[in-house]
Amino acid sequence: QLQLQESGPGLVKPSETLSLTCTVSSGSISDKTSYWGWVRQPPGKGLEWIGGVFYTGKNYYNPSLKSRVAISVDTSSNQFSLTLSSVTAADTAVYYCAKSSGSWFRFFSWGQGALVTVSS
Amino acid sequence: QSVLTQPPSASGTPGQRVTISCSGTSSNIGSNTVNWYQQLPGAAPKLLIYSNNQRPSGVPDRFSGSKSGTSASLAISGLQSEDEADYYCAAWDDSPNGVFGGGTKLTVL
Repeated sequence: QLQLQESGPGLVKPSETLSLTCTVSSGSISDKTSYWGWVRQPPGKGLEWIGGVFYTGKNYYNPSLKSRVAISVDTSSNQFSLTLSSVTAADTAVYYCAKSSGSWFRFFSWGQGALVTVSS
Repeated sequence: QSVLTQPPSASGTPGQRVTISCSGTSSNIGSNTVNWYQQLPGAAPKLLIYSNNQRPSGVPDRFSGSKSGTSASLAISGLQSEDEADYYCAAWDDSPNGVFGGGTKLTVL
């Protein structure tokens, strides 16, 4: 069964860059029917789509975050990554990586989530 | 302010049928399919309904979805205590953007 695991620093200073990696196991990130995405959830709040990537490198991003976000894929490592620049306290959230099947926004599989706190 | 509008809370007693609504616009629900997620406390979201009314394998048929125009709804029949969770609707928006509802907290009384 496909598994996703987020990894990266749990604490980031304001104005710096948040970086997370999602490792895909028991499945191929190069699957032509899969799209890989990031979703975040601030403490006590709802879900927000950050963006997604296809194995070819094609991206879609949330317009509200587009100027600060980059999502890339590394097929050799079966991983995809998120960077979010110029972070503030408002970026404190649990960050989930997820796999969408058949379209960009239909997440059948999720990682367990990684809490990232923005604080000095 | 979420793009898709859901009631913040819903409740029901065991065995009852409850519905959760989700309202959008012509650029999201009106032109794309709707998915529903269940999030139990402290857990990652789980896909409950996709393509308006399809259940992934393993999801009980007590859960059903429907869509009409720019609105969608999730119905849970035979409510059980383990259904107490947050429920989110979601749809692709043609802007393009992935949009979620604000979530509905379901309480089983």
